[in-house]
Amino acid sequence: GAVVSQHPSRVICKSGTSVKIECRSLDFQATTMFWYRQFPKKSLMLMATSNEGSKATYEQGVEKDKFLINHASLTLSTLTVTSAHPEDSSFYICSAKEGGSYEQYFGPGTRLTVT
Amino acid sequence: DAKTTQPPSMDCAEGRAANLPCNHSTISGNEYVYWYRQIHSQGPQYIIHGLKNNETNEMASLIITEDRKSSTLILPHATLRDTAVYYCIVKGAGGGSEKLVFGKGTKLTVNP
Repeated sequence: GAVVSQHPSRVICKSGTSVKIECRSLDFQATTMFWYRQFPKKSLMLMATSNEGSKATYEQGVEKDKFLINHASLTLSTLTVTSAHPEDSSFYICSAKEGGSYEQYFGPGTRLTVT
Repeated sequence: DAKTTQPPSMDCAEGRAANLPCNHSTISGNEYVYWYRQIHSQGPQYIIHGLKNNETNEMASLIITEDRKSSTLILPHATLRDTAVYYCIVKGAGGGSEKLVFGKGTKLTVNP
């Protein structure tokens, strides 16, 4: 199956700093990418949907100025957590979808810890 | 707001079939049933999907009732590596319905 990578797999940062997480589709062109957040023992919650070259569409309750999403190419989307706080500590997962495909391919996730 | 109902947990003996139920009584005519699973601390993995016919692939079988209000995912010979949270999701075929809405899923534990 198609491969989606995330980098870094794990990051620890200090409160108030910004962190960038990359999501790459390695063997297909991802016209749409999705960003999810998962707190311990909870289900995945969709944060935003991004189409290549367009502004991301954020889910209700997700601050677009805090979680900056860029999908500038068909193989790369980035999520930047700005001015991170301890409550932003979570497992961030991206998924990617090729235009016309029914299937979303998920990345392995990034564990963010804000101290 | 997930549109499916699944038992929170199930156990299965290694080598036996695991049958995971899902209720989706409000499913509409153009919505598919998708199954994903998530092994601890990993991203979700696609398993199978179907509309109204039963489906089978190398991982599992999907049995959808005739009225489409429920379905069952079958892992024919469960192994320890199948221990994961299994998510049943209903989703439209396209247009603005690309989002996957994850419910709480079923935590399947395969025991030796």
